[in-house]
Formats: sequence, C-alpha cells, structure tokens
Amino acid sequence: EVQLVESGGGLVQPGGSLRLSCAASGFSFSAYAMKWVRQAPGKGLEWISYISSSSTTIYHADSVKGRFTISRDNLKNSLYLQMNSLRVEDTAVYYCARNVRGLIDYWGQGTLVTVSS
Amino acid sequence: QFVLTQSPSASASLGDSVKLTCTLSSGHSTYAIAWHQQHPQKGPRYLMKVNSDGSHNRGDGIPDRFSASSSGAERYLTISSLQSEDEADYYCQTWGTGILKVFGGGTKLTVL
Repeated sequence: EVQLVESGGGLVQPGGSLRLSCAASGFSFSAYAMKWVRQAPGKGLEWISYISSSSTTIYHADSVKGRFTISRDNLKNSLYLQMNSLRVEDTAVYYCARNVRGLIDYWGQGTLVTVSS
Repeated sequence: QFVLTQSPSASASLGDSVKLTCTLSSGHSTYAIAWHQQHPQKGPRYLMKVNSDGSHNRGDGIPDRFSASSSGAERYLTISSLQSEDEADYYCQTWGTGILKVFGGGTKLTVL
C-alpha cells in the first residue's frame, strides 16, 4: 500500500524557518518524481515545488522561489521542503504527492504550517 | 498563459448523474489531466487521469460510478448514481512547461 506521511509542521513566527519531511513507503520511491502542494485556509490547491526522481530537475513556484527548497533522499525514502523567510501568507496545509508524468496519483494526509506572531 | 478553468459550484440530486468540466486554455487541448476529490477537512484523493482522446484510468479503489471523457479542450468527470459521500470539492490538475496554474480553482459539488 502506498503511504506518504508528512511531518514537521507547526507554528512559526514571520521570518522564521521550518523543514517539512515526507516519509514514503509501499512503492519504489527512487523511481518517482514528487511534488509539494499547499492549501491555505478556505482556498484551493497550489503547487509549490517539484523534484524529479534523481533530483536532477527541480522547479519552484514563483510564490516560494528563493525561499523554499525541495530535496529528497532516495536511500531514506524521504522528501523534504526547507522553508525559510516564512510569511503570514505561507500559512497552509502542506501535502506531499507522488507523480507519474507530472500528474499526481497519491497524496499524503498533510501537515499544517501556521506563520504568525 | 496556460490555465485550467472550472465552475465554482455544481449540484445534483441523490441517485442522479453529474458532469463536471475542466477547460484547458487555448492551444493546450492535447494535455492530459488528473481529477482529485477532497472532502471537507480532509486531504485530496486521486480519482483518475484522463487523456485528450477520452481514455482514462481510475485510481486504486475508485468505483466505476466515476468516469471521465474529453472533447477538444474540455475534460469531464462524470459521477453516476450520486451518493451523499460524493459531496466534496473536485479539482483538475495538469503539468507542463509554461503552466501558470497547475490546478483548476475547484468545483464544489452539492448533493441535494
């Protein structure tokens, strides 16, 4: 059974940093590209980061470019999102998601990040 | 600019069928999309992928009451024999270079 379990969310002050993790199991993690997607309270889904299976290709949405960094460790079956210079508008539930040719086919349950003073 | 457009809301009665639409912006009618379902306060769930020719494949455990089709730049999700648990938000998603918005704005489905 494919499982994606996010962790690392919490309350952080504006300007602070947080590192999210996503533990993958039930499939060959190293064979799949992955994404981070977030959802602000009451809003729709927003793609923020993409990483190819071997980390050779990385994209970030303009809204997080220069502040967030996606990475992965295929030996640990884990995906990460380093978030720096956090803003109030980064408050959201963050989901990791498995990709097949760019389309998401599995989602994690999400982890809540709250940016507030 | 490549965007996906969805109607904000839809409604249908219990036991009936409903067809939700996702429209790809001009010049991108060959792109495949994925449909995702999200219940309130829950994470999204992948339903299926649909190609430009209308072929589709459901995700694990998705009942065959859910089907998909295509016509030109439009991608459809049809839910037949509507049940109360189908009341949810439905998002379409695509991927490719130059895409402004990877997700459509979502359609809130109400089952009457």
